[in-house]
Amino acid sequence: QQQVKQSPQSLIVQKGGISIINCAYENTAFDYFPWYQQFPGKGPALLIAIRPDVSEKKEGRFTISFNKSAKQFSLHIMDSQPGDSATYFCAAVTLNFGNEKLTFGTGTRLTIIP
Amino acid sequence: GAVVSQHPSWVICKSGTSVKIECRSLDFQATTMFWYRQFPKQSLMLMATSNEGSKATYEQGVEKDKFLINHASLTLSTLTVTSAHPEDSSFYICSARVAEGNEQFFGPGTRLTVL
Repeated sequence: QQQVKQSPQSLIVQKGGISIINCAYENTAFDYFPWYQQFPGKGPALLIAIRPDVSEKKEGRFTISFNKSAKQFSLHIMDSQPGDSATYFCAAVTLNFGNEKLTFGTGTRLTIIP
Repeated sequence: GAVVSQHPSWVICKSGTSVKIECRSLDFQATTMFWYRQFPKQSLMLMATSNEGSKATYEQGVEKDKFLINHASLTLSTLTVTSAHPEDSSFYICSARVAEGNEQFFGPGTRLTVL
């Protein structure tokens, strides 16, 4: 079974700091890699996504770095704010003639402290 | 972004009863809807994929006779947990997308508690 490993499990960052969450995958068949943000009691919401032919993508304070050879990718949150406190999931998506599958990482609970 | 709703947001039922959860795409037509299950402090696990008008495709280990999925229209999919047991207690989340390769939009989830 394809897996996506995510670390750390939990992370505490001071306001204004940089939050870094890492993911690694085992199979090269994935088509793109999204990151999701989930608040308690809510469904996940797409933050940012990257294709494997791109090494970095930035949207506002959020940046994905992608290392294809190492099969790793990471989310950087710059100038972290208390409102960023949530659980973050990386994911890997395979597109296969209508059979799309989204495999989630194990999640990182991020807490931004004042 | 597009909006996906779920109903109910939470439900408590007795063991042995059946529970139906609805997933609706409010402002777009969803050719495909997905159902996930999330246990506390764990990741989302895909249960099944349903395309409008056809039978759902279940992931390995998910009992299709226990988790009945119907995708009768382009805006509605339902998940029925039949003969629910306490171990079925979980957070059930649906998502919907317009077409392959497009973003999946997630619903807010339904928390099921089976007593």
